[in-house]
Amino acid sequence: DIQMTQSPSSLSASVGDRVTITCRASQSISTYLNWYQQKPGQAPKLLIYAASSLQSGVPSRFSGSGSGTDFTLTISSLQPEDFATYYCQQSYSARSFGQGTKLEIK
Amino acid sequence: QITLKESGPTLVKPTQTLTLTCTFSGFSLSTSGMGVGWIRQPPGKALEWLALIYWDDDKRYSPSLKSRLTITKDTSNNQVVLTMTNMDPVDTATYFCAHTGRGAVAGQYYYYMDVWGKGTTVTVSS
Repeated sequence: DIQMTQSPSSLSASVGDRVTITCRASQSISTYLNWYQQKPGQAPKLLIYAASSLQSGVPSRFSGSGSGTDFTLTISSLQPEDFATYYCQQSYSARSFGQGTKLEIK
Repeated sequence: QITLKESGPTLVKPTQTLTLTCTFSGFSLSTSGMGVGWIRQPPGKALEWLALIYWDDDKRYSPSLKSRLTITKDTSNNQVVLTMTNMDPVDTATYFCAHTGRGAVAGQYYYYMDVWGKGTTVTVSS
């Protein structure tokens, strides 16, 4: 099994802040890493695939980077609609998600 | 436009078998590159990936739940069915199905879940 670990588990930030969320895989997964955003009561939404490719329709303030075991999701300037929970997910072997990072308003 | 909808019982008893159906439109599971996966989320907890079936009938399962899961497809009716045996109260969750698509980056295919159903809530209780 490939375990995915996100940090931090929760984060408080203000509108306009730059925010970075980290995801670490228990073994190398190359760039087989996706990021999702989930708001309460909603299904997750795909933001980034292949570690750094922006899904169509997703604002350019979202970006992803990394390869191997260490990955980051960066939001360059937080908007009110970005307060949500973010999950990383590997697609290298079967699938697995991180435990989530809840982004809250400071 | 791709849409997916989950259906099944809202309440099951411990030890029973859960059968969930994902009915989709906007794509065919006989098309190369397509897949449908199942994911669940216990109340207030993280997403947990369960299973995935591809257009060529390749199937993948969560290692920790593999002995309890079966995923099948009915291409002609645009449905994917997930069965989970020996249900327990810890299996109480919202169950989602999702379209698995792929994108090409630097000559390599990468798979992702790009369209999700709204989810169906399953409670396990006697």
